[in-house]
Amino acid sequence: GIQVEQSPPDLILQEGANSTLRCNFSDSVNNLQWFHQNPWGQLINLFYIPSGTKQNGRLSATTVATERYSLLYISSSQTTDSGVYFCAGRKTSGSRLTFGEGTQLTVNP
Amino acid sequence: AAGVIQSPRHLIKEKRETATLKCYPIPRHDTVYWYQQGPGQDPQFLISFYEKMQSDKGSIPDRFSAQQFSDYHSELNMSSLELGDSALYFCASSPYTEAFFGQGTRLTVV
Repeated sequence: GIQVEQSPPDLILQEGANSTLRCNFSDSVNNLQWFHQNPWGQLINLFYIPSGTKQNGRLSATTVATERYSLLYISSSQTTDSGVYFCAGRKTSGSRLTFGEGTQLTVNP
Repeated sequence: AAGVIQSPRHLIKEKRETATLKCYPIPRHDTVYWYQQGPGQDPQFLISFYEKMQSDKGSIPDRFSAQQFSDYHSELNMSSLELGDSALYFCASSPYTEAFFGQGTRLTVV
């Protein structure tokens, strides 16, 4: 199966700062997603982004499929952005979704 | 919009007991996944179903079994529970694109 590497593993920011999270894949994927896991454990869909760039408010994501990586940008961070950010990919529709180990983000007031 | 429904949300069982977790996928999603997430870990794939047939299998213990029924709901059965089975169990459903996760069942084995 594919291997997914996320960096950095931990990130501490002051409110208002910007950050970039990275996800590398060992093999090509045709489905790629970013999730935010909140302190209650809920996995919230942020982006479905197998390629290209998408933006949703203060968050944006870019996937360069040919180079097997994806980036998640968080601008003007808020304390509510705290939690774990996961990327996950799968090679083909219907195959397992493989997660990275996550980035633990802490935003301090 | 309808979401993935999991029940129960919390479950406490004793060692060697049996637990059944239920999942109701989003209508018209053809694939259902089960994941296990231990404390501080990423979700680990257990098993998946495509159109009610098992489509992929991960590191699922032999003590666990799962199936998807004619109404598309799925159940994860866990027998001879061990302390190490304590975790958050997620179900997800997907069409051929984006996967959506339920809120999870938090299983505690005492």
